[in-house]
Amino acid sequence: AQKITQTQPGMFVQEKEAVTLDCTYDTSDPSYGLFWYKQPSSGEMIFLIYQGSYDQQNATEGRYSLNFQKARKSANLVISASQLGDSAMYFCAMREVTGANSKLTFGKGITLSVRP
Amino acid sequence: DVKVTQSSRYLVKRTGEKVFLECVQDMDHENMFWYRQDPGLGLRLIYFSYDVKMKEKGDIPEGYSVSREKKERFSLILESASTNQTSMYLCASSLGRPKGQYFGPGTRLTVT
Repeated sequence: AQKITQTQPGMFVQEKEAVTLDCTYDTSDPSYGLFWYKQPSSGEMIFLIYQGSYDQQNATEGRYSLNFQKARKSANLVISASQLGDSAMYFCAMREVTGANSKLTFGKGITLSVRP
Repeated sequence: DVKVTQSSRYLVKRTGEKVFLECVQDMDHENMFWYRQDPGLGLRLIYFSYDVKMKEKGDIPEGYSVSREKKERFSLILESASTNQTSMYLCASSLGRPKGQYFGPGTRLTVT
């Protein structure tokens, strides 16, 4: 069963506007973590933001914020004031616990294009 | 800053060859991971290791093996490369139960 779902087709946003990238997840583990990564055309995965399942407030990192709605099992990424350099592939991921360690499960990704 | 390096950015191999992909991290991380990335499928975990000489199968281990003889190095081995193993391979490392994994630049492997 798919644990991380990213269903939006390619997204487009005008420069300087805000954009929301959707992510829903499925887990029965009460303790989990949610991540967003950016992958520009160069290929390297860049960590953007993290939200723990017990965190009371939504995570923010500069222009990135995570809209965490636990009951709906959604963890949408909001990028404010989009820049041309934000054009990239974005992946949502969830940390799963395996014994004393953990691994990440990734969604299929969303392509974001920022228009000048 | 954490640095994860991979031995090659681009690699072309023939069907049936034995292929080694090397990954090195310089931050003393316990955990290391190998993923492959294919269009429309996202990242899929092949193998991971949480300690030297330890390994765990990920979601798609078939056709692959790994080796971790030293903490900083994690190797992915394709015993007999096939065309369906043409893909982007990404290595990552992390501490214990981390807030995030740090990725290398990736190796784009083509098997002809």
